[in-house]
Amino acid sequence: KNQVEQSPQSLIILEGKNCTLQCNYTVSPFSNLRWYKQDTGRGPVSLTIMTFSENTKSNGRYTATLDADTKQSSLHITASQLSDSASYICVVTSPGEYSSASKIIFGSGTRLSIRP
Amino acid sequence: DSGVTQTPKHLITATGQRVTLRCSPRSGDLSVYWYQQSLDQGLQFLIQYYNGEERAKGNILERFSAQQFPDLHSELNLSSLELGDSALYFCASSSGGFTSTDTQYFGPGTRLTVL
Repeated sequence: KNQVEQSPQSLIILEGKNCTLQCNYTVSPFSNLRWYKQDTGRGPVSLTIMTFSENTKSNGRYTATLDADTKQSSLHITASQLSDSASYICVVTSPGEYSSASKIIFGSGTRLSIRP
Repeated sequence: DSGVTQTPKHLITATGQRVTLRCSPRSGDLSVYWYQQSLDQGLQFLIQYYNGEERAKGNILERFSAQQFPDLHSELNLSSLELGDSALYFCASSSGGFTSTDTQYFGPGTRLTVL
């Protein structure tokens, strides 16, 4: 079954600290993996997009890694800020030969809270 | 502001009714995606159109339908509404197709409440 699992479900860290969020997937075939940041009640905002051949992608203080062999990805946040408090969602795109075989599968997200 | 607009922002209706949600993509974007976010199911992909054609179909119920018009705006039609259809509905747009690595820009969403 195509799945995307994220851990931890929630995380609380102090402002200025680093953290790493995990994403494991069993989706096949694989096209790309995206990380999004979502504030409550608002649309997700794209952080990184990686294809099969990319191991690392950075966007400011956000660095995503991808191991396509083990089907694992991580999102590392450096020097956290209060504005980083949000849900972080891992998404895998799976192409298909026809419309209904194409999938975009979301993880359930990690709820990150930054404390001053 | 992502450049993607969605109307209405809020919609309250009764079970059994039909509603239409509208999305205008960013200028120049050819792809439109529809997503549903409910408390118990999280974010789910519903359907994607590219330049007027359906290209990918996810967990979209038969009671739901969508289309993309020649001016590239899109509408999501929800009929025979049930309590469980209450959710945030997001539209996103991108310049490329389904497997492209172009950024998807999400709209602010339409919050649907079915009473």
